[in-house]
Amino acid sequence: AQTVTQSQPEMSVQEAETVTLSCTYDTSESNYYLFWYKQPPSRQMILVIRQEAYKQQNATENRFSVNFQKAAKSFSLKISDSQLGDTAMYFCAFMKLKYNDMRFGAGTRLTVKP
Amino acid sequence: DAGVTQSPTHLIKTRGQQVTLRCSPKSGHDTVSWYQQALGQGPQFIFQYYEEEERQRGNFPDRFSGHQFPNYSSELNVNALLLGDSALYLCASSLGGHIEAFFGQGTRLTVV
Repeated sequence: AQTVTQSQPEMSVQEAETVTLSCTYDTSESNYYLFWYKQPPSRQMILVIRQEAYKQQNATENRFSVNFQKAAKSFSLKISDSQLGDTAMYFCAFMKLKYNDMRFGAGTRLTVKP
Repeated sequence: DAGVTQSPTHLIKTRGQQVTLRCSPKSGHDTVSWYQQALGQGPQFIFQYYEEEERQRGNFPDRFSGHQFPNYSSELNVNALLLGDSALYLCASSLGGHIEAFFGQGTRLTVV
């Protein structure tokens, strides 16, 4: 079974600074997808960024980038130039190739301070 | 283009009762997945429906059942409610084998 671990229950960062959220996972699969989702108080899960395991290049989306270490089974999210609107719960998720059901970590609550 | 819509947004039920939650997928999507998110935790996969069939199921008891209609909308039914069933229930839709899933805003179920 796949498990996803987020070891930082809460983090905070000053506006405009950079923060990194950690995620590790366990799987015997060789090909899979990894995601970071944001869940603001509105409750809706919003996709931040995704990474295909067969791609060595780390994914980037504007201020968001990942550090994907396949051998270490590590998938961290870096948020640059943090904004107040980045305040939310962030979930790391794993998905096997065949079916798109996801396994989520317990989440990291990020607070961006003015 | 409407995204994923769920109803109702909030619901209070008594222990032992039955509940039905509804989900309309994003236009053009044919696959619906349901997740349970307990307070302070990440979402847990319940099951997934595709072509009106349950395609995959997570580690949830048979009290949790579902249905998908020909228009791809879906229902989640929970029988014999327990206090521990109190959670946010999220629906996610996707198109066939596409990996990106879109989530609704969830239904907050409280069992008293």
